[in-house]
Amino acid sequence: NAGVMQNPRHLVRRRGQEARLRCSPMKGHSHVYWYRQLPEEGLKFMVYLQKENIIDESGMPKERFSAEFPKEGPSILRIQQVVRGDSAAYFCASSPRQTLSGANVLTFGAGSRLTVL
Amino acid sequence: DAKTTQPPSMDCAEGRAANLPCNHSTISGNEYVYWYRQIHSQGPQYIIHGLKNNETNEMASLIITEDRKSSTLILPHATLRDTAVYYCIVRRTGFQKLVFGTGTRLLVSP
Repeated sequence: NAGVMQNPRHLVRRRGQEARLRCSPMKGHSHVYWYRQLPEEGLKFMVYLQKENIIDESGMPKERFSAEFPKEGPSILRIQQVVRGDSAAYFCASSPRQTLSGANVLTFGAGSRLTVL
Repeated sequence: DAKTTQPPSMDCAEGRAANLPCNHSTISGNEYVYWYRQIHSQGPQYIIHGLKNNETNEMASLIITEDRKSSTLILPHATLRDTAVYYCIVRRTGFQKLVFGTGTRLLVSP
């Protein structure tokens, strides 16, 4: 089991360009979460998706950011017209369907580090 | 989800037990306690979770007080590689996302 795979691991963009970050969940996992970590700051929840559905996007900035998790393929976090403040580490996590007990363990990827010049 | 309080930093000598406390005095009956850690700038790593009973796995032990208002994560024999930020998170069943606080920065020294 390869775990949660994120790519690219490092991405450099100039202001105004688009950034696309991809996340392949663990085998058998149908839930994906995206988190952002600004330099020297904590992890902030962005969005939670199931296949073809956005369940909770309460942490997503209102503009320029979007996420999808299609029926086939990885989840994509898309940032349009990037600005320097978007420079951060973006972590993806996945989990299986909720267990009967209610406990739900998230497995995180290694992250994608976006640098905006 | 209930709020948690952790000390901002702790030190531990290599080979000794590291005991990381967490206060969650407003926890409710259907909320689990989860512990994760983040080593340097890597992705967060799950450690352990529990509801009422104490739990142990290959990484750590989790001691939850009888009133469930606090818990302690125990790393029985800390190594230098255990230096990380440790997060205690309380989360309701049926709610999927984890909300990370500021955690405890554990420094294990030789």
